[in-house]
Amino acid sequence: DGGITQSPKYLFRKEGQNVTLSCEQNLNHDAMYWYRQDPGQGLRLIYYSQIVNDFQKGDIAEGYSVSREKKESFPLTVTSAQKNPTAFYLCASTPGGLSYEQYFGPGTRLTVT
Amino acid sequence: ELKVEQNPLFLSMQEGKNYTIYCNYSTTSDRLYWYRQDPGKSLESLFVLLSNGAVKQEGRLMASLDTKARLSTLHITAAVHDLSATYFCAVVPNNNDMRFGAGTRLTVKP
Repeated sequence: DGGITQSPKYLFRKEGQNVTLSCEQNLNHDAMYWYRQDPGQGLRLIYYSQIVNDFQKGDIAEGYSVSREKKESFPLTVTSAQKNPTAFYLCASTPGGLSYEQYFGPGTRLTVT
Repeated sequence: ELKVEQNPLFLSMQEGKNYTIYCNYSTTSDRLYWYRQDPGKSLESLFVLLSNGAVKQEGRLMASLDTKARLSTLHITAAVHDLSATYFCAVVPNNNDMRFGAGTRLTVKP
């Protein structure tokens, strides 16, 4: 089955630690995205990548880093510089070209204490 | 600054009633997307509206797009409890990344 997977579903970390969230897709999509969602809020764009080895900052990139070494993978690292990392993180992908419909993974809920 | 505004942000309605959710956006976008999110879950695509005047219907939900007014509506007909969720609209300005509204949290009561 084609789709987007994110792991783990729940993640707990101590303050000051870096943590990497996984996002994998087997849809052969060109573009991939990371969003952050806080309780009762909408989605805010962290980073996106339209092709391998290239990515752009979104609205709230500070304290985050990404890589895009393979088309199917777009991991997000939440660094210790991120002031309020506790949130729900969603990964999405699109086929590229003229189709901008985004397909979302199941999300990772990160709690930092 | 790009704005995607949804109205209302919270909606409580009785089963069987009709209501409309509005999505206004401040920049040019010739397409608009509606998503549904259940509590603690990811986003599920509902509608993709690709041109001015586009109308799509699925069950008790109908979405429309007026690109000249920069307005989309999501109309709910004869609401049922299963429609309780948060609904997001999103646009793609300048054929770039997708921008979302804040969401409308819908609660349908018996």
